[in-house]
Amino acid sequence: EAGVTQSPTHLIKTRGQQATLRCSPISGHTSVYWYQQALGLGLQFLLWYDEGEERNRGNFPPRFSGRQFPNYSSELNVNALELEDSALYLCASSRAGGRSGRLEQYFGPGTRLTVT
Amino acid sequence: AQTVTQSQPEMSVQEAETVTLSCTYDTSESDYYLFWYKQPPSRQMILVIRQEAYKQQNATENRFSVNFQKAAKSFSLKISDSQLGDAAMYFCAYRVTGTASKLTFGTGTRLQVTL
Repeated sequence: EAGVTQSPTHLIKTRGQQATLRCSPISGHTSVYWYQQALGLGLQFLLWYDEGEERNRGNFPPRFSGRQFPNYSSELNVNALELEDSALYLCASSRAGGRSGRLEQYFGPGTRLTVT
Repeated sequence: AQTVTQSQPEMSVQEAETVTLSCTYDTSESDYYLFWYKQPPSRQMILVIRQEAYKQQNATENRFSVNFQKAAKSFSLKISDSQLGDAAMYFCAYRVTGTASKLTFGTGTRLQVTL
């Protein structure tokens, strides 16, 4: 079974530009989560998509947005980049619904975004 | 709001020895999951162990076990017979039971394993 994949591995942008990060979930998973891991900090929840809809959003400004496609892959867009947006962006996927412990999240390798 | 606290930024253990990583959390929910994730230098987050809050029995996965104290809201990870490959960042995380939902993470503990 293929794991969660993310692209690109590294992304370098200048302040004010836009960045687009992509994520493909594990086959059969309908939920996709985005987390930001800034240097020295833990993972901060950004966005959760399920069945094509945004289900929950973390405490981030509106210039962080995304979408989920019919094949359950997802894009994270960051507009008007700021220096503090430099971080590792991790995507995770899970099955959705129910009480089962199978709802555990599986993570991708991340995209390292550097804003100069 | 739920919070997860890891008070040990760094820990060190000798190979073959045992180490315990601490985690406390705050929640008003009665039913939830707790997790320990490992993040090696490759950056890939790997699930180490999972504990359901409604289960009193502590979870165990090979050399990894937890000490779950629900009343104290404490969830520590014990690594026995430490190996060089255990060196990584370890994150404690929390999620409410039910529908899929976000994970709330602690700030992590960097574990060094020495010869």
